[in-house]
Amino acid sequence: GAVVSQHPSWVICKSGTSVKIECRSLDFQATTMFWYRQFPKQSLMLMATSNEGSKATYEQGVEKDKFLINHASLTLSTLTVTSAHPEDSSFYICSASNLQGVKEYFGPGTRLLVL
Amino acid sequence: KQEVTQIPAALSVPEGENLVLNCSFTDSAIYNLQWFRQDPGKGLTSLLLIQSSQREQTSGRLNASLDKSSGRSTLYIAASQPGDSATYLCAVRRGATNKLIFGTGTLLAVQP
Repeated sequence: GAVVSQHPSWVICKSGTSVKIECRSLDFQATTMFWYRQFPKQSLMLMATSNEGSKATYEQGVEKDKFLINHASLTLSTLTVTSAHPEDSSFYICSASNLQGVKEYFGPGTRLLVL
Repeated sequence: KQEVTQIPAALSVPEGENLVLNCSFTDSAIYNLQWFRQDPGKGLTSLLLIQSSQREQTSGRLNASLDKSSGRSTLYIAASQPGDSATYLCAVRRGATNKLIFGTGTLLAVQP
């Protein structure tokens, strides 16, 4: 199957700083990438959908000015958590699709801890 | 609004047992349903994908069924092994370009 990577796998930062997470599709061109958040012992919740070259579509309740998403190429999307706070600590997972979301390939996730 | 529920939330079985995980969804108008496995602190591994027109899919010791009319899917694991220990998630998609709605997950522990 297709391979999706995320970097970093772990990040610890101080409250108020910004953190960037990268999501790469290694062996296919991803026209659509998705960003999810997963709190402990909870399921995945979609945060936003990004299509290459256009603005991301955010789910209800997700602050677009706080979670900046860039999908500048067919193999890379980034999620920047701006002015992170402890409540932003979570597991962030991206996925990528080249078939308008019919099948998604998931990355390994990035664990963010904000102190 | 689509809601996806999985029962049980946690399950512990001895090695070698056959087991069934359940997934139910409130809106039967789905495009497909997918079962995933998630190991602790890791991303998702897709196990089986069932299109809305299909009744079941099989891969090795795994068999997933889909009954759209009743809003249910089951994941059957035969001859369970300790390596099967993980959280199992089901997710449904309403249309080809719609988002995945994930269930609450079942945490499975297979005791050696």
